[in-house]
Order: sequence, then C-alpha cells, then structure tokens
Amino acid sequence: EPEVTQTPSHQVTQMGQEVILRCVPISNHLYFYWYRQILGQKVEFLVSFYNNEISEKSEIFDDQFSVERPDGSNFTLKIRSTKLEDSAMYFCASYLAESTDTQYFGPGTRLTVL
Amino acid sequence: AQSVTQLGSHVSVSEGALVLLRCNYSSSVPPYLFWYVQYPNQGLQLLLKYTTGATLVKGINGFEAEFKKSETSFHLTKPSAHMSDAAEYFCAVRTRSNTGKLIFGQGTTLQVKP
Repeated sequence: EPEVTQTPSHQVTQMGQEVILRCVPISNHLYFYWYRQILGQKVEFLVSFYNNEISEKSEIFDDQFSVERPDGSNFTLKIRSTKLEDSAMYFCASYLAESTDTQYFGPGTRLTVL
Repeated sequence: AQSVTQLGSHVSVSEGALVLLRCNYSSSVPPYLFWYVQYPNQGLQLLLKYTTGATLVKGINGFEAEFKKSETSFHLTKPSAHMSDAAEYFCAVRTRSNTGKLIFGQGTTLQVKP
C-alpha cells in the first residue's frame, strides 16, 4: 500500500538554526499538509498546500515557516530560526481529492530544539 | 468554527471489556468525521471515517463508531478490548473548505489491563 514517508525521523538542532523537514507524499495525491504535535498535546494544523501554493495556514505558521514542493515528489517544511517552543512531532499528510476524504499521515519527524 | 471535544484524556479497561471513547463535535455544516490511532512512536493511522450514508461505520481492528447528528457525537467503540489496542486515539473533523484540513480533539489514551 502506498505510504507517506518523512525524513529524518528525529532531528536535534540548536535554537536559532534552520531546519528542513522532508516528506514524500503518496505519488498521485494533490493536497499536502503539515501538522504538529507538541508533546502531550493535540495534533494541530499548520499549513495546507495545493497546486504549488499555500491554500491555508494557521496562526502558528508565521514568517519563520515556509513550505515548498521543489521537485514534484518532495514536500518540505522549513523553519528558518528555530525556537525552543518549536520542539514537537511534525506530521506530513496528503490526500488525493475530496472524493476520497482520507488524509494519509507520515510517521512524523520529532524535532528537538536545544 | 468547527471543534472537537474528546471526553476523558485517559481511559482504562480490562482486556475483553467494552471500549468506549467519546467524541463530540461542533460544526455548522454536515461534518466529515474521523478516528485516528497513534501507537507509541508511530504516526497516525486511520481507524474509520464517516462522510455520508450509513451512520454506523466499521473500521479496522474491530472498531466502530456511530454518527449521531442529534447528539453531535461520534463515539468509538469496540466490544472486546485487546492488549494491542493500547494507544492514543484522536477524533477529528474535516472542514469542507477547499483546504480540507483536519481539526483534532485532545486525544484519549487507552490503557488495557490484563
């Protein structure tokens, strides 16, 4: 069965450093998302991406964050200058189109900011 | 705005007992509802979903949920708990906007005692 993959599984970085989290969505899917889950809290929507542009972003997704689909297969989340409070599990998700109604999630990247 | 409330952050049952995880939603339009499961150190896996049609939906691993519009609920049940059911369970509502983002509840940790 097709699956969403994410790399790395765990990223440790120093505060103020840039990080790029990578995702490979399911190949024929059209909609892409990033969510995050701070330890012990619920999963929160960050951003949605369709047709090579952001379709919606949350209040969390400020100017420090950006997303890109550089080559038609990868989908990346960049945090320009990490803060301690960015430590979380970041999930990528994708889905084909409204008729399927199911978002498929990747295994997540655990980001630890020291 | 749509929201999801999961009653009970922790639920403990004995192996073989009924599992009932509660989820209530708020939505001004007919919702699409989902239950996802998260095993330790893993990503989110879809258990089941309600979009339209039959209000009792069956999912994987013997779980089912019933959409009750009058009660704005989508409780998850399983007749007989198994040790392998121990995990975190998230109820989510999907917006019917073009972005299709998911809004999650706080999650319920299910503990299964031998």
